[in-house]
Amino acid sequence: GQNIDQPTEMTATEGAIVQINCTYQTSGFNGLFWYQQHAGEAPTFLSYNVLDGLEEKGRFSSFLSRSKGYSYLLLKELQMKDSASYLCAPLDSNYQLIWGAGTKLIIKP
Amino acid sequence: DGGITQSPKYLFRKEGQNVTLSCEQNLNHDAMYWYRQDPGQGLRLIYYSQIVNDFQKGDIAEGYSVSREKKESFPLTVTSAQKNPTAFYLCASALAGDKETQYFGPGTRLLVL
Repeated sequence: GQNIDQPTEMTATEGAIVQINCTYQTSGFNGLFWYQQHAGEAPTFLSYNVLDGLEEKGRFSSFLSRSKGYSYLLLKELQMKDSASYLCAPLDSNYQLIWGAGTKLIIKP
Repeated sequence: DGGITQSPKYLFRKEGQNVTLSCEQNLNHDAMYWYRQDPGQGLRLIYYSQIVNDFQKGDIAEGYSVSREKKESFPLTVTSAQKNPTAFYLCASALAGDKETQYFGPGTRLLVL
C-alpha cells in the first residue's frame, strides 16, 4: 500500500532552525511536494523535488533521497508566522498526490 | 487578479439534502480537483478532471458528483448518499501536465445539522 509518515507535531523557538522529516512508500514515484497549511486555511505550495538533493528557496529548503524514500523540509530563522502544518505529498505512478496527515509546527517566542 | 475561488466559505446541510459547492478558476488551468480534509488526516481525492466534459473518480467518490461543463468551473455536489459529509472541502487546479503544481482555493467547510 501507499504510506506517508511524518511526525504529528513539533515545537521550535523563534529564530531557530527546524527539520521536518517525511518518509514515504508509493506505487512509483514522480516527485514530491511540500505544502504549508495554516489552521482553517487552504494549503499553499512550498517546494517540489524530483531529483535527489537539496533545493533552497529563501528560508525554506527541501531535500530528497529517492533510494531511501525520504524527504525533509528545513526551515531557518523561524518566525511566528511559520506556525502551521506542513504537508508532505509524493506523486505516485498515476501522477496522483498521496497526502500525509501533516506535521503541526508550533513556534514559541 | 487570477486565482481560484470557492463558495460559500461555510455551508450547513440538513439530513437528506443535496448541496453544491462552487469552484471557479481564472488561471486557464486544464486540471481541477476536489479533496476532502478531516481532522488529523491527509487530504483525500474525491474527483478530478483533466479536461472539459471529462472527469474521473478519486479514492472516495461515493456520495459525491461533479460536472465540468466549462474550463473555469468544477462544482461538487454532496448528495444525501454521503453519510458523513461534515468536512473541509478543498478545490485545486493545475496546468495541463501530470507533474504540475496544484493550487488551492480557500475551501468550504460543510456542517450537517
